[in-house]
Amino acid sequence: AAGVIQSPRHLIKEKRETATLKCYPIPRHDTVYWYQQGPGQDPQFLISFYEKMQSDKGSIPDRFSAQQFSDYHSELNMSSLELGDSALYFCASSLRGTGGDQPQHFGDGTRLSIL
Amino acid sequence: AQTVTQSQPEMSVQEAETVTLSCTYDTSENNYYLFWYKQPPSRQMILVIRQEAYKQQNATENRFSVNFQKAAKSFSLKISDSQLGDTAMYFCAYRFGNEKLTFGTGTRLTIIP
Repeated sequence: AAGVIQSPRHLIKEKRETATLKCYPIPRHDTVYWYQQGPGQDPQFLISFYEKMQSDKGSIPDRFSAQQFSDYHSELNMSSLELGDSALYFCASSLRGTGGDQPQHFGDGTRLSIL
Repeated sequence: AQTVTQSQPEMSVQEAETVTLSCTYDTSENNYYLFWYKQPPSRQMILVIRQEAYKQQNATENRFSVNFQKAAKSFSLKISDSQLGDTAMYFCAYRFGNEKLTFGTGTRLTIIP
């Protein structure tokens, strides 16, 4: 079965540079979630989209922005990168169900390292 | 705000033994979902089991089962006949509706050969 695809798998950037992370949800899934997992920490919610509209926003820095496109893929744009942005970034997708009965399926993540 | 607490940072058991991981949560909602995710060294996030709060019956998936106590807001995971491949970080998570997942801080489980 098709899974959530994230690219790139690994990304190395320097401080003050920009980065773009991409997420391709499972076919027919209409909702995308972004999470950030720092070293030794639990995943923290950043932002989500449903039918190409932002549906919820978490602890996402103003330096970050995201969108969902007409083909339902999503991109997380990160600017003025800081050392603290080094983390594993997960994308998850789901089919919006009644009462939230559809689980979120995670991609393998993008490991971002800031030098 | 919803919170999820995992009070066991690390646990280890012998292969083939049974182990229980604890999780408590706080919410004012009546209908919600609870999950256990497994994160092995590869760092993938793998859904192990889920429980719907309005169902009294505890969920089971092969060797994995939960003990869901709604009144106590407790959601523990039992792994029977533990295997070396069960070694991973385990996260308990809460979700209301189609909203985000709120994770606990995780329990690092090591299965000893």
